[in-house]
Amino acid sequence: QKEVEQNSGPLSVPEGAIASLNCTYSDRGSQSFFWYRQYSGKSPELIMSIYSNGDKEDGRFTAQLNKASQYVSLLIRDSQPSDSATYLCAVNSAGNKLTFGGGTRVLVKP
Amino acid sequence: DAGVTQSPTHLIKTRGQQVTLRCSPKSGHDTVSWYQQALGQGPQFIFQYYEEEERQRGNFPDRFSGHQFPNYSSELNVNALLLGDSALYLCASSSRVLKNIQYFGAGTRLSVL
Repeated sequence: QKEVEQNSGPLSVPEGAIASLNCTYSDRGSQSFFWYRQYSGKSPELIMSIYSNGDKEDGRFTAQLNKASQYVSLLIRDSQPSDSATYLCAVNSAGNKLTFGGGTRVLVKP
Repeated sequence: DAGVTQSPTHLIKTRGQQVTLRCSPKSGHDTVSWYQQALGQGPQFIFQYYEEEERQRGNFPDRFSGHQFPNYSSELNVNALLLGDSALYLCASSSRVLKNIQYFGAGTRLSVL
């Protein structure tokens, strides 16, 4: 079983719609959770961090964490073509090491 | 405020050669982590440096080694290059005072021929 799992996609979303991305993790001791966006050929860019159960909103992005279910999600509201990218879920468990999922590719169609 | 900087941007080497990649952390950060990202995959943790010592290491062979300097900058060295070492190498910096959130540099793309 992979430590952090994501659906590879592509997740195709019409412009203006909500994109919903999911991530599950195996280490129950994980304390910090992150979503990074990565455009093709570029490096990961941090878009959200979440540490406690519940929702955290930042602009058009909402992260949701459920530690009991070992589940993290990211919602992108009013999706724009510029949101087309790969979204990486990362979990910080032992020490300060990030464990990444394989990423979900999102395509926003005008 | 400069972010995380990495050099070089691209590198082409042949099998068996050695390579050194460099990273300067974001201002105020004292911890540097290195990741390898193969095409189509998520980044894989190589190791992390803090106070000039390797603090954690991922599942990478001893051919991968590193160093951190007093100014917090870091190097990643890979010896006896294999074709499978071709990847994007990412450096991330963080600070224990600032919740250990990691910010990535632009990466070095290494091609081994």
